Amino acid sequence: SYDLTQPPSVSVSPGQTASITCSRDKLGNNYVSWYQQRPGQSPVLVMYQDKKRPSGVPERFSGSNSGNTATLTISGTQAMDEADYYCQTWDSNIAVFGGGTKLTVL
Amino acid sequence: QITLKASGPSVVKPTQTLTLTCTFSGFSLSSTGVGVAWIRQPPGKALEWLGVIYWNEDKRYNPSLNSRVSITKVTSKNQVVFTMTNLDPVDTGTYFCAHSSRFDPWGQGTLVIVSS
Repeated sequence: SYDLTQPPSVSVSPGQTASITCSRDKLGNNYVSWYQQRPGQSPVLVMYQDKKRPSGVPERFSGSNSGNTATLTISGTQAMDEADYYCQTWDSNIAVFGGGTKLTVL
Repeated sequence: QITLKASGPSVVKPTQTLTLTCTFSGFSLSSTGVGVAWIRQPPGKALEWLGVIYWNEDKRYNPSLNSRVSITKVTSKNQVVFTMTNLDPVDTGTYFCAHSSRFDPWGQGTLVIVSS
């Protein structure tokens, strides 16, 4: 089990909006980061401090975090966004990852 | 440009000790605020944080690993060394190193298979 709960899979049609959630009690009190991992590749940071996009990450990626749930939203989803996504936070200087969500674009 | 790469043995026997090296460039591990973390991923499974070492020698480890893990730095060589004792087949996976507390960027991982 994981301290951060993510849905195992999310499906979205091209051009539509995908939302990937990450849940834990009072998660909104912590900053959350999100990582994208394409098959056979190393993870890439796509969101940090809940809603900040690193340089080079498309504007269609956005993030939020409130209450018990953080959400990564991908607007106008493209085929290249198909990947596994992991949320992550820090608990007393210990990093914790979610179980990952496989985003399928079909 | 920051780059990192994990390297080490590809096969380790059960009960043995694993030693991996993360070689990096584009930053200094003597600069305030900088750290290097280790994360692993069993085949087909999720990411698991193993630990981190910071510029000031502060170290944090995943408490679930029961003191099997240690991380040291060789600042002059731009390297961080990861050690895990008493390997078990469940420790099989790809081991990554990543820059700082934001895990950005990640290095190319190295696959470690624990098998007799």
